[in-house]
Amino acid sequence: KQEVTQIPAALSVPEGENLVLNCSFTDSAIYNLQWFRQDPGKGLTSLLLIQSSQREQTSGRLNASLDKSSGRSTLYIAASQPGDSATYLCAVPLWDSNYQLIWGAGTKLIIKP
Amino acid sequence: DGGITQSPKYLFRKEGQNVTLSCEQNLNHDAMYWYRQDPGQGLRLIYYSQIVNDFQKGDIAEGYSVSREKKESFPLTVTSAQKNPTAFYLCASSSPGQGSKKGVSYNEQFFGPGTRLTVL
Repeated sequence: KQEVTQIPAALSVPEGENLVLNCSFTDSAIYNLQWFRQDPGKGLTSLLLIQSSQREQTSGRLNASLDKSSGRSTLYIAASQPGDSATYLCAVPLWDSNYQLIWGAGTKLIIKP
Repeated sequence: DGGITQSPKYLFRKEGQNVTLSCEQNLNHDAMYWYRQDPGQGLRLIYYSQIVNDFQKGDIAEGYSVSREKKESFPLTVTSAQKNPTAFYLCASSSPGQGSKKGVSYNEQFFGPGTRLTVL
């Protein structure tokens, strides 16, 4: 059974630092992996989607990597800003479903000015 | 602007009442989803619908019901049978092979702003 874990549950860093968020999954047979951002009391915003054939994806200051063999993905945020404060979630599709996602519980990120 | 809307933003329910949460999308997506989010937990799938007039139970469907009479709409009813309905409810949609980014897969889901339901 696929399980997705995000550690740590919370992270606080000073503004300007580069940081890495982690996402682990137990079954390496995945189609893709998606990273989302959620602001308090808001819906989710899709940040990056990495296909299983890709090693990484970049969008602005964000870079997501995928290592299927080790069951890990990382989200790298460069030059962090207070506006990056949010909860970051990762999700992978259920293997035998075109529609269902398995979710991590998220990492709550606080960037201190 | 294309997007997903949910209403109301906040909803209060007395015990024993049924309430309906609205979800509308104008993205022309085939699939729609309802998730429940509790503090410190990942999203849990309640129901999803691949096409109009069809829907499937997710992991926690007990105490909930849905309908999909129109492509754009996927309302969720929280019934009195749901023992602990206080939570944040998120609606999402997706469509195979479509999206604003080249090469997007069928699993990329787009979310509404959510409805916070509180039982009084």
